[in-house]
Amino acid sequence: QSVLTQPRSVSGSPGHSVTISCTGTSSDIGVYNYVSWYQQHPGKAPKLMIFNVSERPSGVPGRFSGSKSGNTASLTISGLRPEDEADYYCCSYGGTYTFSVLFGGGTKLTVL
Amino acid sequence: QVQLQESGPGLVKPSQTLSLTCTVSGGSISSASYYWSWIRQPAGKGLEWIGHIYISGSTNYNPSLKSRVTLSVDTSKNQFSLRLSSVTAADTAVYYCARGDSLWLQLDYWGQGTLVTVSS
Repeated sequence: QSVLTQPRSVSGSPGHSVTISCTGTSSDIGVYNYVSWYQQHPGKAPKLMIFNVSERPSGVPGRFSGSKSGNTASLTISGLRPEDEADYYCCSYGGTYTFSVLFGGGTKLTVL
Repeated sequence: QVQLQESGPGLVKPSQTLSLTCTVSGGSISSASYYWSWIRQPAGKGLEWIGHIYISGSTNYNPSLKSRVTLSVDTSKNQFSLRLSSVTAADTAVYYCARGDSLWLQLDYWGQGTLVTVSS
């Protein structure tokens, strides 16, 4: 059981938008902006898509955006493309007394 | 371009110690701007943080694995390593090494991953 809660699956049609939620607590997402998102295609290593809640690394399309409200972070993918079909994981710093890293359980995005 | 590559045995017997090394190329492991992580993923399941180490030698471990995990760094070889003792079948997974940014803590570069199977 993951500490950060994500929907198991979401789907959307090409060109449309989807949002993946990631719910934590007031001890992690709720107090820290150290939220990142990773995309993972089958058999591949995860790839950083968003950090610091809403920052995009160089090379990541502007179709990917992140936000946070309270204890929940969200990843929105607009203008869906077939290659966006993948698993997506949220990640947060969960330190209170010790530095820890928390992952969500992952969300399978299907592009219909 | 920074690259990370995991190496080590793909098969470990139960109760023995799993040992993996991550070799960093295209950048120095000695930079204080980064930390060095291990993450694992059982087949068909999600990502699990194992722990990370700073160049100072300071470490942080997943509480659920802390009693069995040791991380170390070898600056002369630009490598860092993972040792996980008393392994069971539940430790069978793809193991990834990754670089973490010390400012915003994101994992920006990952190795390709290596499958470790625990079986007699």
